[in-house]
Amino acid sequence: EVQVVESGGGLVQPGRSLRLSCTGSGFTFGDYGMSWFRQAPGKGLELVGFIRNTAYGGTTQYAASLRGRFTISRDDSKNIAYLQMSSLKTEDTAVYYCSRAPRVGFSGYYLIVDHWGQGALVTVSS
Amino acid sequence: FMLTQPRSVSESPGKTVTISCTRSSGDIATNYVQWFQQRPGSSPITLIYEDDQKPSGVPDRFSGSIGSASNSASLTISGLKTEDEAEYYCQSYDTNGVVFGGGTKLTVL
Repeated sequence: EVQVVESGGGLVQPGRSLRLSCTGSGFTFGDYGMSWFRQAPGKGLELVGFIRNTAYGGTTQYAASLRGRFTISRDDSKNIAYLQMSSLKTEDTAVYYCSRAPRVGFSGYYLIVDHWGQGALVTVSS
Repeated sequence: FMLTQPRSVSESPGKTVTISCTRSSGDIATNYVQWFQQRPGSSPITLIYEDDQKPSGVPDRFSGSIGSASNSASLTISGLKTEDEAEYYCQSYDTNGVVFGGGTKLTVL
C-alpha cells in the first residue's frame, strides 16, 4: 500500500526554523517526484514546492512567494523528502501536506500528484 | 492568472452537479487542470488529472472536462451521494507557478 507520512510539525516562534519530513512507503521512492502543499486555517490549498526525481535531475520548483525561505530536498536512501522552513512568519501557520508526484515536467510547474499524507500542523506564534 | 469557482453548490442525492472553474487569462487548454476533493478534517484526494483523467480508485461518477468557449474546466459528479459532501478545488499552472481555485463547497441535501 502506498503511504506518505509527514512528521516534524509543531509550535515554533517567529523567525525560527523548522524541518518537516515526508516518509514514503509501498513504492520505489526514487522513481517519483515529491511535493509539498499547505493550507492555512480556514483557507484553500497552496503549493509550497516540489522536487523532481533523479531521472528528471532532482531539481526543485517553489512558489514564488516562498522561494528563498523554504527548501525542499530528498534522501532516496531513506525514502524521505524534507521541507526546511526558515525565517518563519505567523502567516506560515498551516497544515503542510506532502504528496507523491508520479509526473513532473523537466522544467516549469507541470505536476501531477496522487497520494497525499495526513498533514503536519505548523503553528508559528510567540 | 486566476481560477474562479463558485463558492458553493447544492444538490439532492442521486442528482448530477457540475462545478465550474474559469481561467481569467490564457487558454484553459494550454495547461492541464487537476481537481481535488477535501472532506472536512481530511487530506485532499486527487479526483482528476490532465483535464479528464482519473486515478485508479476514483469512481466513474466523477468526470472532468474543459471548454474552450467558456475558457473553463468542469467537474461533474453524477448519482450524488451524501459522502460527496466536501470542498472541491481546481488547479492549473503556467510558467510562473501553480494556481488553485478558491474552492467550492458541495452540499448534498
